[in-house]
Order: sequence, then C-alpha cells, then structure tokens
Amino acid sequence: GAGVSQSPRYKVAKRGQDVALRCDPISGHVSLFWYQQALGQGPEFLTYFQNEAQLDKSGLPSDRFFAERPEGSVSTLKIQRTQQEDSAVYLCASSPWTSGSQNEQFFGPGTRLTVL
Amino acid sequence: KQEVTQIPAALSVPEGENLVLNCSFTDSAIYNLQWFRQDPGKGLTSLLLIQSSQREQTSGRLNASLDKSSGRSTLYIAASQPGDSATYLCAVMAEYGNKLVFGAGTILRVKS
Repeated sequence: GAGVSQSPRYKVAKRGQDVALRCDPISGHVSLFWYQQALGQGPEFLTYFQNEAQLDKSGLPSDRFFAERPEGSVSTLKIQRTQQEDSAVYLCASSPWTSGSQNEQFFGPGTRLTVL
Repeated sequence: KQEVTQIPAALSVPEGENLVLNCSFTDSAIYNLQWFRQDPGKGLTSLLLIQSSQREQTSGRLNASLDKSSGRSTLYIAASQPGDSATYLCAVMAEYGNKLVFGAGTILRVKS
C-alpha cells in the first residue's frame, strides 16, 4: 500500500477484555515501531522491531502488553486484561533501513482504544 | 534520559502572521530531529527532518533550525493560514534507526 495502515481505527473494550491491534507497514520497510499517545500528550515509545526481531520492548508498560511481527511485515500489539489507563491512541510507524537514508519514520492513522 | 519540551503549549494567531514554535531537548547527542503535524483524530505527518550535522531545513513556508549544542530547535511558519491549524510535535532520534522521543506538542490555531 501507499502508507502505513492500522486496524481497527476505533476500539471500545470493557475492562478486563483482551484486544489486538494490527499494523501494516509500508512494503519493504525493515523497522517497525509502536507508540502510545495519551490525550493531550506526545506519543511515547512502546516497542521496536527490525524485521521479525523485537530489539527493544523497554517502553511496554506492563506484562499485559505483548507485540509480535512473526514474518517481518504485519505486526500485532496485544493488550490483555485491559484497564482504563490503557485508553489511548496507539500509533504504528515504519521506516526503511538503507545505508545513507535519513531513516525517517512514517506513521499510520492510529487506533483509538477506549476502555470502559 | 532524553526529555523534549515544547513551548508554547498553545498558540492562537490571526491569519497572515509569522510565528515561531520552540523545542528543546536535554541530551544533545541526537541523530536527527523531526517536526510533525497532527490533525485531530489523525496520525502524524512529517514536516521536516534535520540531521544532526545540519543547521536548518526548509519546505515551502516552513523553516526548521537546529542548534544541537544548546539543545534547541525552532519551527518558523511564514504567512500563517487557517489550514495550518493543528498540533505540531517535535521529536528527536538518539541513534540511527532507533525510537523517537516526542515533546507534548504545540496546539496552533490560526484565525481567519
């Protein structure tokens, strides 16, 4: 596709439910990032993949958060036993990994998660 | 730990004014700095990217400068238009290909 796509765009979950958020990066992009954006704040880093390898998960707030990218393309962010504080916009970004590139990150539209 | 601060938090100006948005960061060891625009309910659109070795970048009515040693960047918008109304985010990348650290953003409103 032309850009990064995410689905669903909106998700409402009852507290305690599990949710799965999907990210389709730009074709051929090696790096994939997940960020969490609370209302009125800037995005905060959650985790980072290079191909299928998860190189950094230091931003995941708890062990209820899990991300995977099994074939080095599509990625899924899973949140188990959702809590109200998980309500936020979850942004996915991808970037190429080519020598001499600026390594710019391209963002998807985000998934707005509301936990009731 | 890298921290990014943006001032002002909000700005309202009449159409046609030139304006400056400020960004500061605590660790000057950065690989690049990006300015983004975010419209309500939308994702981030990259406006300008400045490599650590560069001093400024320009795109149309936008000009971004970088003073790495002092940990500052400014985004200059010339002849502002109502369509420029959005949240502007500044972000720094510490190492090649690594995560971005964002400021909280400046909410800009340009009145017609």
